[in-house]
Amino acid sequence: AQKITQTQPGMFVQEKEAVTLDCTYDTSDQSYGLFWYKQPSSGEMIFLIYQGSYDEQNATEGRYSLNFQKARKSANLVISASQLGDSAMYFCAIGPLGGFKTIFGAGTRLFVKA
Amino acid sequence: DAGITQSPRHKVTETGTPVTLRCHQTENHRYMYWYRQDPGHGLRLIHYSYGVKDTDKGEVSDGYSVSRSKTEDFLLTLESATSSQTSVYFCAVGRTGTGFSYNEQFFGPGTRLTVL
Repeated sequence: AQKITQTQPGMFVQEKEAVTLDCTYDTSDQSYGLFWYKQPSSGEMIFLIYQGSYDEQNATEGRYSLNFQKARKSANLVISASQLGDSAMYFCAIGPLGGFKTIFGAGTRLFVKA
Repeated sequence: DAGITQSPRHKVTETGTPVTLRCHQTENHRYMYWYRQDPGHGLRLIHYSYGVKDTDKGEVSDGYSVSRSKTEDFLLTLESATSSQTSVYFCAVGRTGTGFSYNEQFFGPGTRLTVL
């Protein structure tokens, strides 16, 4: 069984500052992938970043990086230099490699202040 | 955006009526998914497909059926809609292969369904 926990229902960050969104997970799979998605107020789901359980380096995609701590079962998303357009809902998800059943967390709503 | 469209985008229906939602993709991806999104729950997997006529249940499949007769189309049917099925429904495709991380999913724009 897999489970994702996002403990921060809402977060505020000042424009141009960095912010960390927490994600912890539980899984019985040896091989798995962790994902982050962004959902702006317009409603679409946007893929941001992926981390494989066997990847030794933390994933990065532009201003997004994933702080992966396998022993602690955490996969926190770090957004550097926040922009007003980063205001959105952010979802962490986990799926087994070779499988299909991706489990999503309840999400964290991020508010970027000018 | 992986060329994913969903139809209809909005629908209001009455309890007990059948409803079919369509997901269409233009990039010939093998894997397709249906999710529902409700406040406080994130997205929950309803059904998924790993090829034409190959489908399986997700975590919230009761009351839903799916069909995939062509690679590009994945249909979700509510045989007899109930108010608890009021939700936003997202279709997704799994993009695999060179240049993609394993089983990245890309989503359609969503369908807002209201069952009165």
